[in-house]
Amino acid sequence: TQLLEQSPQFLSIQEGENLTVYCNSSSVFSSLQWYRQEPGEGPVLLVTVVTGGEVKKLKRLTFQFGDARKDSSLHITAAQPGDTGLYLCAGAVNSGYALNFGKGTSLLVTP
Amino acid sequence: SAVISQKPSRDICQRGTSLTIQCQVDSQVTMMFWYRQQPGQSLTLIATANQGSEATYESGFVIDKFPISRPNLTFSTLTVSNMSPEDSSIYLCSVSRGKNEQFFGPGTRLTVL
Repeated sequence: TQLLEQSPQFLSIQEGENLTVYCNSSSVFSSLQWYRQEPGEGPVLLVTVVTGGEVKKLKRLTFQFGDARKDSSLHITAAQPGDTGLYLCAGAVNSGYALNFGKGTSLLVTP
Repeated sequence: SAVISQKPSRDICQRGTSLTIQCQVDSQVTMMFWYRQQPGQSLTLIATANQGSEATYESGFVIDKFPISRPNLTFSTLTVSNMSPEDSSIYLCSVSRGKNEQFFGPGTRLTVL
C-alpha cells in the first residue's frame, strides 16, 4: 500500500508554463518534505512543511501543507529547463524520523 | 545540511557475490538510514542504522540479506549479500539531525548480472 500518492506521475511542459504537483494521503503526517532528484544523484531537500495550512515559498516554488496535514502541493511558476527532475514528497509518520516516499512526479521542461 | 559521500558510486557484480557500500558523513549525526531505489521507482527504506546496536529493519528486509554496520556517528556500511539480478538498484544512505529533515548521499548504482 502506497502511503503517499503523487500526481501527475509524468509532466512535460514548455519553459514559462506554470504547474502544480500533488501529494495526497489518508494518513496524517507530522511533517512533509519535498525533494528533487536529478539522474545519477541522490534526492535534494527543497522544503519541509510542519504546520497544517502552512505555505512556504522558495523563489518560483510554492509549497502548501493541507490543513489536516494529509496532503501537500508544489506549485512552480514560470518553469525553466533547470527545474527538470523527479519531485518526491515524503512524510514522517508518528513523529518519527523514518520517511515514507511517494512514487514521484517526473517533470520535463523543454526550452 | 551535511556532506555525505558513498563508495563505490557504481558497480557491476556477478550473482551470488556480495558488495559492501560505505557511507561517510562530514560530521556526527544522530540517525542514519539506508534506502533502495529500484529502476523507475521511488525510495524504499531498508533499515535504520543504529550506532552501537543492531540495525532496525523494515518489513521485507532482513539482516542476513542486508547486514548493516554503524561503528560511529559518521560512518555506516550496507552489505548486499548473495546478490541476484533483482538486487539491481540504487542504494542511498541518508542522515538526519532532526525530525524534519533528511539529507541524502549521491547513491550507489548496483547492477547484478
